[in-house]
Amino acid sequence: AQSVTQLGSHVSVSEGALVLLRCNYSSSVPPYLFWYVQYPNQGLQLLLKYTSAATLVKGINGFEAEFKKSETSFHLTKPSAHMSDAAEYFCAVSDAGGYQKVTFGTGTKLQVIP
Amino acid sequence: GAVVSQHPSRVICKSGTSVKIECRSLDFQATTMFWYRQFPKKSLMLMATSNEGSKATYEQGVEKDKFLINHASLTLSTLTVTSAHPEDSSFYICSATSGTNEQYFGPGTRLTVT
Repeated sequence: AQSVTQLGSHVSVSEGALVLLRCNYSSSVPPYLFWYVQYPNQGLQLLLKYTSAATLVKGINGFEAEFKKSETSFHLTKPSAHMSDAAEYFCAVSDAGGYQKVTFGTGTKLQVIP
Repeated sequence: GAVVSQHPSRVICKSGTSVKIECRSLDFQATTMFWYRQFPKKSLMLMATSNEGSKATYEQGVEKDKFLINHASLTLSTLTVTSAHPEDSSFYICSATSGTNEQYFGPGTRLTVT
């Protein structure tokens, strides 16, 4: 069984400050890991994904995440927050083998303070 | 990237009626489509997995007679909420995959049952 835990349902940062959204995963097999962003009343947009290649993954909009097997973590970071980054962020995991089923975390709402 | 559409984006129906939501992959053939339900301020809950030409596989606790899923072609899956009740009001999101390591999400359908 796979699962992800996102620490902090709400995170507030000042504009220009570092964004750090935490995600820890549990998987019995090598995982694929994802970060998605969701704006109000919209679907999900893929920010980045880890699929067993480079452990530091760069995504869209200046986001990146590092896969740390020893810590079972896949935290999302961005050096400088922008107002447009305010949204809900979901970490997700799937089996590396078939990519059939994705399990989502509970989400972290990012607030950016001007 | 691949595009998945959903129709309608919003629907309001009366209690006891049925409503159909369409999910289309616009520029690729989707061997598998997924249907998710998202409660307010909650994560996505996988409802069912549908493969073209075969019966959908429902997650535990999801009533298959209430949430009818049809995946008649490689570009279209439909979710029909039968005899809708106010507690069925939710945000329904579909995703599609061609078997590669990524799911592409639709923009979601907001269902309100009055």
